[in-house]
Amino acid sequence: AQSVAQPEDQVNVAEGNPLTVKCTYSVSGNPYLFWYVQYPNRGLQFLLKYITGDNLVKGSYGFEAEFNKSQTSFHLKKPSALVSDSALYFCAVRDNNNDMRFGAGTRLTVKP
Amino acid sequence: DGGITQSPKYLFRKEGQNVTLSCEQNLNHDAMYWYRQDPGQGLRLIYYSQIVNDFQKGDIAEGYSVSREKKESFPLTVTSAQKNPTAFYLCASSRSRGAYTEAFFGQGTRLTVV
Repeated sequence: AQSVAQPEDQVNVAEGNPLTVKCTYSVSGNPYLFWYVQYPNRGLQFLLKYITGDNLVKGSYGFEAEFNKSQTSFHLKKPSALVSDSALYFCAVRDNNNDMRFGAGTRLTVKP
Repeated sequence: DGGITQSPKYLFRKEGQNVTLSCEQNLNHDAMYWYRQDPGQGLRLIYYSQIVNDFQKGDIAEGYSVSREKKESFPLTVTSAQKNPTAFYLCASSRSRGAYTEAFFGQGTRLTVV
């Protein structure tokens, strides 16, 4: 069955430093991968997706993600973190039934 | 202003009561979903619907019911059979259930059993 794993519950970075939020996936066919962000007591907002093509995907708010087939990873990155980036981040994959399977989430805290 | 509207934002339920959470979208999306979010567990799929008058169970459908009488609306009823209903509930929609399509989410309803 398709699944995603987010190995870190919490990531802390200083403002202005690069950030990485990790995601690994398990799929039986082509992976369709997504990143979402959630602010407190709000719904999820779509950031970016990988369907096919270029391994580096650019998304909203300066975020990008790198698809690595050999490592089955889809890590979310940003060159320079902002305090306002502090939120809960979810990686997701579409499974064979086209249901979207979410990771458990990673809480990103950016300190001034 | 297009989007998904969930109401109410906060809901309190007494033991043994059924409650209904509203979800409306004006994005003209065919597919709609209900997820439950618990701390540290990510999102779990309750029900989904690909088209009007059709819906399917997700991973944790027991104790929940839905209807899809209109394309824009996908209400969720939390019944008294749901043993632990306190959670944050999220409604989402997408153009279709195709693999390429991202989902758009409402702002959520926080349900608390008192």
